[in-house]
Amino acid sequence: NAGVTQTPKFRILKIGQSMTLQCAQDMNHNYMYWYRQDPGMGLKLIYYSVGAGITDKGEVPNGYNVSRSTTEDFPLRLELAAPSQTSVYFCASSVGHTGELFFGEGSRLTVL
Amino acid sequence: AQSVTQPDIHITVSEGASLELRCNYSYGATPYLFWYVQSPGQGLQLLLKYFSGDTLVQGIKGFEAEFKRSQSSFNLRKPSVHWSDAAEYFCAVGVYQAGTALIFGKGTTLSVSS
Repeated sequence: NAGVTQTPKFRILKIGQSMTLQCAQDMNHNYMYWYRQDPGMGLKLIYYSVGAGITDKGEVPNGYNVSRSTTEDFPLRLELAAPSQTSVYFCASSVGHTGELFFGEGSRLTVL
Repeated sequence: AQSVTQPDIHITVSEGASLELRCNYSYGATPYLFWYVQSPGQGLQLLLKYFSGDTLVQGIKGFEAEFKRSQSSFNLRKPSVHWSDAAEYFCAVGVYQAGTALIFGKGTTLSVSS
């Protein structure tokens, strides 16, 4: 049972490039989330999804897009990367309104 | 707006000593409260949660937390700290609107001295 799997673990982008962070979970969880973590700032919610085909914005959605075509996958798309998007990104899932999130190991992104 | 405040950025505790990490929240209704732990280079792991009922909740690794509505607090405690407890600790409140999400505090880094 792999849990929540994120790829890649590390990536360096140039300003203006685009990329997709992949997230997959094998626990059949309906709810999935993308957070970013910056030093001393805790975690900020970017987007979340309550099921396939349903997504909604969190606290800091600007510069990102998501899709949820299947229960298992929740990719995060960065368009026109900016230095402000340098961060560690965490994908998480939960079975419902429990608040018990299962996190991936994170993807460290640097934009230069 | 909902928010979580962790007043202590960094705490150092001697191994074997007791620990208390503070957390205050702002939320209009009865909150769902959580403590998560993050070891270096890892994702977050749930330590414990409070939904309702007994205000003292037990978690994994010997941690406990007490919900105090009058003080809007949910402090994390451990009677005797081990060196392996060194990590970053996050308090969070569950926000249930159209979907569900957690609002996290900024975290407290725990160092354990020998």
